This record gives sequence, C-alpha cells and structure tokens, in this order.
Amino acid sequence: EIVLTQSPGTLSLSPGERATLSCWASQYISNNFLAWYQQKPGQAPSLLIYGASSRATGTPDRFSGSGSGTDFTLIISRLEPEDSAVYYCQQYGTTLWTFGHGTKLEIK
Amino acid sequence: QVQLQQWGAGLLKPSETLSLTCTVYGGPLSLNYWSWIRQPPGKGLEWIGEVNHSGSTNYNPSLKSRVIISVDTSKNQFSLNLTSVTAADTAVYFCARGGRFATAWGQGTLVTVSS
Repeated sequence: EIVLTQSPGTLSLSPGERATLSCWASQYISNNFLAWYQQKPGQAPSLLIYGASSRATGTPDRFSGSGSGTDFTLIISRLEPEDSAVYYCQQYGTTLWTFGHGTKLEIK
Repeated sequence: QVQLQQWGAGLLKPSETLSLTCTVYGGPLSLNYWSWIRQPPGKGLEWIGEVNHSGSTNYNPSLKSRVIISVDTSKNQFSLNLTSVTAADTAVYFCARGGRFATAWGQGTLVTVSS
C-alpha cells in the first residue's frame, strides 16, 4: 500500500497570498497518477487536479499541480476566501487507491 | 453532466449489514468504473472498492472480506454491501465515478453503527 503524507496539516493565509501544499508518497507513483481534491464542510470532495498537473474541468487556473515520483505539490496562487477547505491528495498508481490525511487551508 | 444519487439505511446495529445504492443519471454505467469511498466523522477518506459495468471488482484489502460491490446496468445503479458492521464502520459513505480518480460524487450518506 502506498502511504501518502501531506504537509502542513493546517495552513493559515490571507487573501491574495500563495499556498503551497505538499504530498509525499512512500513509494514511487507510476505515470504520475496523483490527484488533488478540495472538500468544503458538509460537501463531497471535488476533483481539482489529476495526472499530477492536469486541471479538471472547471478548476480555476489559480490551482496548479506539479511533481513526479514521490514528491508532489499543489499551489494555489492569489488565494480567495472560497478556497478555505481541506485538500486531499490521492494516488491511483496501484489498484488500491489511497489518500493523504489532508491539509486544512484557512483563509484569514 | 453525470449526477450520482445515493440512498440507504443510516442507522445500523453492530453485526448488521450496511447496504447502499447509487443511481447514475446523465450517462451509462458502461463507460467507467464506479467506486465507493468513506469518511469517518472528522477524518480522512478511505477507498472501499470499485466495480465496472460487467461486474468486475477491486476491493480495498482491509475490507475485502466483508465487502461486495455489485452493478445493475438495467437500472443504471451500483450498490455496496458491507457485512458485520461495527462502530468503526461509522462514516459518511460516498459513491463516485472513476476507475482511477473520482470525477463525480454522490451527496454522501452518514451511516452510524450503534447499539
């Protein structure tokens, strides 16, 4: 099982700032099969990024993903109040999907 | 635009079987794998397993002995059965589209296991 570790656990930033969220894998993730989701309270997660760097339909271009192998990053530039949420990474390089424990992003 | 609507019992006693069904609107089951994912209160996400239109399944090894995911293409539905539930199975259960990552989600069903 590939274990994903996300950092930081909580991030508190102001509108207009840039957020950098990290996701580290315990094993190499083939084909950069890494996705990012945004989850707001009381809602289902929503896909932001797949293939490590491809934006899902409807994802604003303020969201960008990068990385390969075992180290991946989600960057949110020019933070807006509605970006307040928990962000999860998920790998699908193996048959067993696994998720990170999430980064909670608070907008001051 | 594909939409998923799910339903099932929200309160179970220990040792009972959890049963949830998800109906897919706006697209056929045949084009994707379909997954179940759960989230204990205040915690992260756990993938339970997936099924495709022909009934081929993959399960999380940690739950495999208790899980059956099935499909009914005539109703454009897929279902989750989880046997012998305990309090540790208390969670919001989501159905989702996607065999690699989830591109559409159901609204979620809170299932509470309590005596």
